[in-house]
Amino acid sequence: ETGVTQTPRHLVMGMTNKKSLKCEQHLGHNAMYWYKQSAKKPLELMFVYNFKEQTENNSVPSRFSPECPNSSHLFLHLHTLQPEDSALYLCASSQVGQGKGYTFGSGTRLTVV
Amino acid sequence: DQQVKQNSPSLSVQEGRISILNCDYTNSMFDYFLWYKKYPAEGPTFLISISSIKDKNEDGRFTVFLNKSAKHLSLHIVPSQPGDSAVYFCAGVGGSQGNLIFGKGTKLSVKP
Repeated sequence: ETGVTQTPRHLVMGMTNKKSLKCEQHLGHNAMYWYKQSAKKPLELMFVYNFKEQTENNSVPSRFSPECPNSSHLFLHLHTLQPEDSALYLCASSQVGQGKGYTFGSGTRLTVV
Repeated sequence: DQQVKQNSPSLSVQEGRISILNCDYTNSMFDYFLWYKKYPAEGPTFLISISSIKDKNEDGRFTVFLNKSAKHLSLHIVPSQPGDSAVYFCAGVGGSQGNLIFGKGTKLSVKP
C-alpha cells in the first residue's frame, strides 16, 4: 500500500460509546497530523506528532485522545463525544517542517448520535 | 481569529473561462502558501504553492499570485474544465513547526 490510509471510512457512534480512528502512512514521513473538517469551517488542526512526540494540541477537548505508537501509525481515540463533534476527520503526514509535502488520507466521516 | 480567510464559499464558472479563487491572510510570518483541492469523499490533494518571496507561480493551467502588501493571494485556473469542480483550500505555512493553517475553502463549479 502507498499513501495515507484511514479506517474506518464512515463511523456512527452513540454519545456513550468508545471508538478509535486509525491512520497509517507508507511514505516514510516523520510527522503525522489530525485535522477536523466541519461544515462551513476551516480545516482545523487538532494534533501534531513529530518523530512520535506530540508537539501540538490545539485546545482539543479531552474526549479526543491521540496515540502515535510509531512514525507510521496514528490513532484518535474517541469517548463520550457530543453531536457537534460530527465531522470529517482527516489524517495527514509529512516530513517535519515541509508544509508542501502534506499527504492527506480520505478521512473518516464521523456521526455522533 | 482566522489567519487564513476565503470569503467566497462558492464560485460558478462556465467551461473554458477563467476561475479566480481568492484568499486573504493576517499572519505576516507565513513562509509560503499552498492551494489544495478536495473532491467529495477524498482527502485534500496538493495543487500549487508559492513562496512568500515570490509574487507569481505558474503550473500549467494553474497560476497563483501573491500580493504581500495586501496580504492577498489568488488562484487562477484557465481554461476551466468541468473536472476542476471541487473545493479549493488556501493554506499558509509558517512557525517553527511548519504547520498548515487552512481557510474555509471555496467550492468551485465549472459548468459545461
